[in-house]
Amino acid sequence: GAVVSQHPSRVICKSGTSVKIECRSLDFQATTMFWYRQFPKQSLMLMATSNEGSKATYEQGVEKDKFLINHASLTLSTLTVTSAHPEDSSFYICSARLTGGRNTEAFFGQGTRLTVV
Amino acid sequence: DAKTTQPPSMDCAEGRAANLPCNHSTISGNEYVYWYRQIHSQGPQYIIHGLKNNETNEMASLIITEDRKSSTLILPHATLRDTAVYYCIVRVTGGGNKLTFGTGTQLKVEL
Repeated sequence: GAVVSQHPSRVICKSGTSVKIECRSLDFQATTMFWYRQFPKQSLMLMATSNEGSKATYEQGVEKDKFLINHASLTLSTLTVTSAHPEDSSFYICSARLTGGRNTEAFFGQGTRLTVV
Repeated sequence: DAKTTQPPSMDCAEGRAANLPCNHSTISGNEYVYWYRQIHSQGPQYIIHGLKNNETNEMASLIITEDRKSSTLILPHATLRDTAVYYCIVRVTGGGNKLTFGTGTQLKVEL
């Protein structure tokens, strides 16, 4: 299957700083990528839909000024957690769907474990 | 997207078939049934999807009832590495449609 790579896989940052997470589709183009957040023992919660060349669409309750999403190319989307606080500590996961492909399943990155201290 | 209902947990002996049920009684005609799994601390992995016919691939089989109100994911010979949370999701297929995850079924495969 197609490969989606996230970087970094794990990051620890100080409260008040910003952290950027990259999501790359390695062998396919993705017009649309999705960003999820997962707290311990909970399911994945969709944060936003990232569209190449346009503004992201955020889910209700997700602060767009805090979670900045940029999707500048068909293979890269970034999520920046600005002014991070301990409550932002979570597992962040991106996914991408093939553009124009026969298959429509989404492929997920391996996730990024963010710890804010 | 239609809501799905899955049992919170199931156990299975290694080597036996694992049958994971999913109810999606409000599914509409253009919605597909997708199955993903998430092994601890990893991103979800696609397993299989279908519309109304039964499907099989190298990982699993998907059995969808004739009225499409429920489905079963079958892992024919479960191994310890199949221990994961399994998510059943129904959605309209298409490049931009998002996946909405429920609580899934925690499958534990034991010796």
